[in-house]
Amino acid sequence: QSVLTQAPSASGTPGQRVIISCSGSSSNIGSNVVNWYQQLPGTAPKLLIYSNNRRPSGVPDRFSGSKSGTSASLAISGLQSEDEADYYCAAWDDNLNGPWVFGGGTKLTVL
Amino acid sequence: EVQLVQSGAEVKKPGESLKMSCKGSGYDFTTYWIGWVRQMPGKGLEWMGTIYPGDSDTRYSPSFQGQVTISADNSISTAYLQWSSLKASDTAIYYCARQGAWLPDYWGQGTLVTVSS
Repeated sequence: QSVLTQAPSASGTPGQRVIISCSGSSSNIGSNVVNWYQQLPGTAPKLLIYSNNRRPSGVPDRFSGSKSGTSASLAISGLQSEDEADYYCAAWDDNLNGPWVFGGGTKLTVL
Repeated sequence: EVQLVQSGAEVKKPGESLKMSCKGSGYDFTTYWIGWVRQMPGKGLEWMGTIYPGDSDTRYSPSFQGQVTISADNSISTAYLQWSSLKASDTAIYYCARQGAWLPDYWGQGTLVTVSS
């Protein structure tokens, strides 16, 4: 049972906009920053969004993040086949769960 | 360029010990926390523990406290994760990751551990 809650799957067609959500609590998302990671099949997670809505250099601006209250979202616009991957949210947690807590991951399928 | 390079895949029997490594380069190893994350087959990411190489301050997840030991050798910019007695349920991929401002920014490539009799 992950501390942060994500839907296990999402899907979209090429060119569509997809939103992946992440729900937490006051001890993590509600009071700390959120990161998003992309994990392509057979590879290590890669930082996609940090500090709620910032993109590392090299990450396309098709990817964007937002946070409101105890929830966060990752939006992917102009969906491409290479976006098919698992996406994880993470947050700092002020309780004994942490300090790093993760969502269970959302598997994105590009139809 | 920041890099974390982990040791290779391991195949072990239940009850055996294991120590895996994570070598950092491209940054000051002593001034960033390094964490370890488990990914069991087909499952999500779980934080195991974190070490600050500068003073060896170490924090463990309650789920892994007493089950593993995290350490670091600053002279060779390397962090370690070790078990004294493996179980079949320890079969997983283990990642090391550097903590940026608050959360992981750079990740190692992962080490696959298979524990089977």
